[in-house]
Amino acid sequence: GAVVSQHPSRVICKSGTSVKIECRSLDFQATTMFWYRQFPKQSLMLMATSNEGSKATYEQGVEKDKFLINHASLTLSTLTVTSAHPEDSSFYICSARVTGGARNEQFFGPGTRLTVL
Amino acid sequence: GQNIDQPTEMTATEGAIVQINCTYQTSGFNGLFWYQQHAGEAPTFLSYNVLDGLEEKGRFSSFLSRSKGYSYLLLKELQMKDSASYLCAVSGYSTLTFGKGTMLLVSP
Repeated sequence: GAVVSQHPSRVICKSGTSVKIECRSLDFQATTMFWYRQFPKQSLMLMATSNEGSKATYEQGVEKDKFLINHASLTLSTLTVTSAHPEDSSFYICSARVTGGARNEQFFGPGTRLTVL
Repeated sequence: GQNIDQPTEMTATEGAIVQINCTYQTSGFNGLFWYQQHAGEAPTFLSYNVLDGLEEKGRFSSFLSRSKGYSYLLLKELQMKDSASYLCAVSGYSTLTFGKGTMLLVSP
């Protein structure tokens, strides 16, 4: 299957600082990547759809000025949590979709555990 | 929009068979996925169904009925390592929406 990497895997930061999370597709090009957030014992919630070369599409209730998404190339999307607060502490997961022919799969990165103190 | 329902928890014993059901209502359908997620880890892909019927892959099988908005994941010969959350996810035209997951506990 396709490989998606995510960096860092774990980050602890102080309240008010910004944190950048990188998501890379290692062996394929992804025109679309997705960013999810998962709170403990809850399901994944889609935050935004990241489109290469254009603005991200945010889900309702997700602040685009707080969660900055940049998809500068076909293999890299970044999520920046600006002015992080303790309530932003969560597990952030990116994924990339592989399509073509009979394929329609979505592969996930390993996730980033963010803790805001 | 999309609405996905699956049981919150299930328990089973090692070596047994368990079926996890998923019902969905969606405004656009482009396939249904099952993922396995262990605590603290990202989901891993298990299966994809876009046509009606049963897809078998080793100990895991997945079934889809589009007319009924229904799918199930069948796990055979359960092992302790199968204890995890199983997520049903429906693909719309451009996004993937997850159910809340079914926590499966396999006991000896």
